[in-house]
Amino acid sequence: GNSVTQMEGPVTLSEEAFLTINCTYTATGYPSLFWYVQYPGEGLQLLLKATKADDKGSNKGFEATYRKETTSFHLEKGSVQVSDSAVYFCALRKAAGNKLTFGGGTRVLVKP
Amino acid sequence: ETGVTQTPRHLVMGMTNKKSLKCEQHLGHNAMYWYKQSAKKPLELMFVYSLEERVENNSVPSRFSPECPNSSHLFLHLHTLQPEDSALYLCASSQVQNANNSPLHFGNGTRLTVT
Repeated sequence: GNSVTQMEGPVTLSEEAFLTINCTYTATGYPSLFWYVQYPGEGLQLLLKATKADDKGSNKGFEATYRKETTSFHLEKGSVQVSDSAVYFCALRKAAGNKLTFGGGTRVLVKP
Repeated sequence: ETGVTQTPRHLVMGMTNKKSLKCEQHLGHNAMYWYKQSAKKPLELMFVYSLEERVENNSVPSRFSPECPNSSHLFLHLHTLQPEDSALYLCASSQVQNANNSPLHFGNGTRLTVT
């Protein structure tokens, strides 16, 4: 079946540091890939997405590239801010399906 | 008002109580979802409604009973819950058509505590 594996947190960084959160997936066919972010006390918000191989999703300074050869969708940001402290979820959706499969989430804490 | 709205934000209930969680979406979507988020566990998909029909029930105990009266509203009826059911319950919606390009939009959740 489908599965998503992402690095366990917490990841603790200083402001302006470089952030990478690894995400790999297992799926048949050509799923769409997503990163969601959950700020404290809130639900999940879509951060970015990619629907086919080699697509790059980007938003708010975050980027992730759909790598089919390595079945990965790593999230990166060049210079984090305290406001980026949150839990980040990698997810996939199979083609023509409604169901999202989530990774376990990675908590990121950015210190001033 | 736009987006996905869940009420109440917080709920404390005893094991013998009956309560309901409500979700409303103003995005024109036609699929709705209930997820359970427990501490230190992955997000668990509970139910999926597509075009007002339940299309997925992930082996959820019968003490959780969903209801989708129309494409904008989703309820989760709760009765005789257990303390381990304490969690954040998240509602989401999406568009069925062109599903691959339609991300889920989540509400802020209901924090449920069962005493």
